Amino acid sequence: SQKIEQNSEALNIQEGKTATLTCNYTNYSPAYLQWYRQDPGRGPVFLLLIRENEKEKRKERLKVTFDTTLKQSLFHITASQPADSATYLCALDVGAGKSTFGDGTTLTVKP
Amino acid sequence: DAGVIQSPRHEVTEMGQEVTLRCKPISGHDYLFWYRQTMMRGLELLIYFNNNVPIDDSGMPEDRFSAKMPNASFSTLKIQPSEPRDSAVYFCASSRPGWGEQYFGPGTRLTVT
Repeated sequence: SQKIEQNSEALNIQEGKTATLTCNYTNYSPAYLQWYRQDPGRGPVFLLLIRENEKEKRKERLKVTFDTTLKQSLFHITASQPADSATYLCALDVGAGKSTFGDGTTLTVKP
Repeated sequence: DAGVIQSPRHEVTEMGQEVTLRCKPISGHDYLFWYRQTMMRGLELLIYFNNNVPIDDSGMPEDRFSAKMPNASFSTLKIQPSEPRDSAVYFCASSRPGWGEQYFGPGTRLTVT
């Protein structure tokens, strides 16, 4: 059966360090993968999309990698700040405009 | 643009009552999605529409749930009759054709007592 796993329900790091979140999947062949941020009491907010033919994508302090052989995406936040504290969700394309979301990783950046 | 608009933001109702959640997608977005989020099950897709037509309703938990999209700027999700296990946050999201990213509304927090 299809499965998405975001390693670590919670991740705690010190301000200024790089946060690395993982998203592993099985039994999918997604054309693209997305990362979203969700703050308490709010809806998810789109951050980055990476396509199957792209190895890496960057946006400001964010970097996403996508390894279709390993079936894994890594999401990095460099020079992390307390304001980066939130839950981060990965979402896989499952065709026909539809995506399936992982359970999320809650990141806490301590000052 | 105001983004995706959902109403009400909070709904508290008694078991057995009908509940209607409303969503206005972003103008120009052809896809509309309804999700449910709980601690136990995460973010689940219930149903989605393309150009007002339901494409996949396989995530709708049971016949008590129904969704409509009478026009490009309005959709409803109805639960009748509601049960305590329906308590969750319900999100509406929209996206443009050919674009993966979805834009989520603020959600409706439903509590069924």
